[in-house]
Amino acid sequence: DIQMTQSPSSLSASVGDRVTITCRASQSISNYLNWYQQQPGKAPKLLIYDASRLQRGVPSRFSGSGSGTDFTLTISSLQPEDFATYYCQQSYFIPRTFGQGTKLEIK
Amino acid sequence: EEQLVESGGGLVQPGRSLRLSCAASGFTFDDYAMHWVRQAPGKGLEWVSGISWNSGSIGYADSVKGRFTISRDNAKKSLYLQMNSLRAEDTALYYCVKDIRITMVQGVSSYFDDWGQGTLVAVSS
Repeated sequence: DIQMTQSPSSLSASVGDRVTITCRASQSISNYLNWYQQQPGKAPKLLIYDASRLQRGVPSRFSGSGSGTDFTLTISSLQPEDFATYYCQQSYFIPRTFGQGTKLEIK
Repeated sequence: EEQLVESGGGLVQPGRSLRLSCAASGFTFDDYAMHWVRQAPGKGLEWVSGISWNSGSIGYADSVKGRFTISRDNAKKSLYLQMNSLRAEDTALYYCVKDIRITMVQGVSSYFDDWGQGTLVAVSS
């Protein structure tokens, strides 16, 4: 199975900061990489699909990049509502697999 | 508005069975593949199983293969997960999830664009 490894596992930042989360796949997944945001007590929400395509309604401060095995999610200027847990997920292979998550906390 | 409503969760003893259901509305159910994703308390997301629109393509995580069975009834717009031989490590919130694609195959981009609120399964004696 494809292993997805996110780093860091947790991150403290302030409103207005630029943050980057990394996701690495154990083998090439082309650009079939999605990012989800999960607020406490809520279901996950799709942010970015196909590594860099912004889901409808998602603010443009979110962006994604990468291909092959290495991917990044960047938030250009953190807003209070962005403090949440972020997951990457590969959609090239079955079983579909998620990264372990990155918890973004307020500094 | 698309809606996915899970049911069937509860407290069950190890080794017993449980059947989860997901009722879909607000979209053409048989135009999409569907999945179950779970989240153990305080842990991350784990894909459990997926099924294509016509049940022709089905997949399972290794952790549940041989114990869980996914199925769907397009006429009833419903997705199911039959869980047998339950273990303590199956304790989790189980989400019903809609795929953007009609089928589930390797090498084709897809993503999960709609999630239910989840149903909680607790396995304990």
